[in-house]
Amino acid sequence: SAVISQKPSRDICQRGTSLTIQCQVDSQVTMMFWYRQQPGQSLTLIATANQGSEATYESGFVIDKFPISRPNLTFSTLTVSNMSPEDSSIYLCSVYDDTHRGEAFFGQGTRLTVV
Amino acid sequence: EDQVTQSPEALRLQEGESSSLNCSYTVSGLRGLFWYRQDPGKGPEFLFTLYSAGEEKEKERLKATLTKKESFLHITAPKPEDSATYLCAAPMLSGYALNFGKGTSLLVTP
Repeated sequence: SAVISQKPSRDICQRGTSLTIQCQVDSQVTMMFWYRQQPGQSLTLIATANQGSEATYESGFVIDKFPISRPNLTFSTLTVSNMSPEDSSIYLCSVYDDTHRGEAFFGQGTRLTVV
Repeated sequence: EDQVTQSPEALRLQEGESSSLNCSYTVSGLRGLFWYRQDPGKGPEFLFTLYSAGEEKEKERLKATLTKKESFLHITAPKPEDSATYLCAAPMLSGYALNFGKGTSLLVTP
């Protein structure tokens, strides 16, 4: 199975600042995704990170707020921009593993607190 | 609109007391029904994917089953270490990203 390393694991940030979260996978994967998990809630898809092109965002999420990069098939970043306390959540990177069809794996998450 | 609904929201069991968690779905052209375990402060851990009605998969004390409208996660003789939130999900129409239910928080007491 794919092993996903996500950094940082947690951070406390001032409102109005930005945080970039990194996701590194130990093998090449076609599909990478970013999710948000608000306190006490389930996971919500933010966007699909496309290699070599702009990310595909879900309704309610915009590129200016959550810019995503995916320079290759093993790495992606999510930036949370101009943060407010409402952005306090766990942010999760996920991959659909082509070599294990039907299995989707997650990083350990980044717990973000905005003060 | 595709939906994944889990019940109950929370479940408390005594050690050894078997039970089932439910996941009902209204998804057109189901391309898999996923089960995950999530411990506090961690990302979801993959458990099973089921593809067709009648399919069953097992892992230790867990067995997942699938019908045309719902899936069950059966927990046999649970132990305290089985305490976690169990999430059910189905792929979105747009691709392989997942649409998650709200989860069942399971607590197993000694």
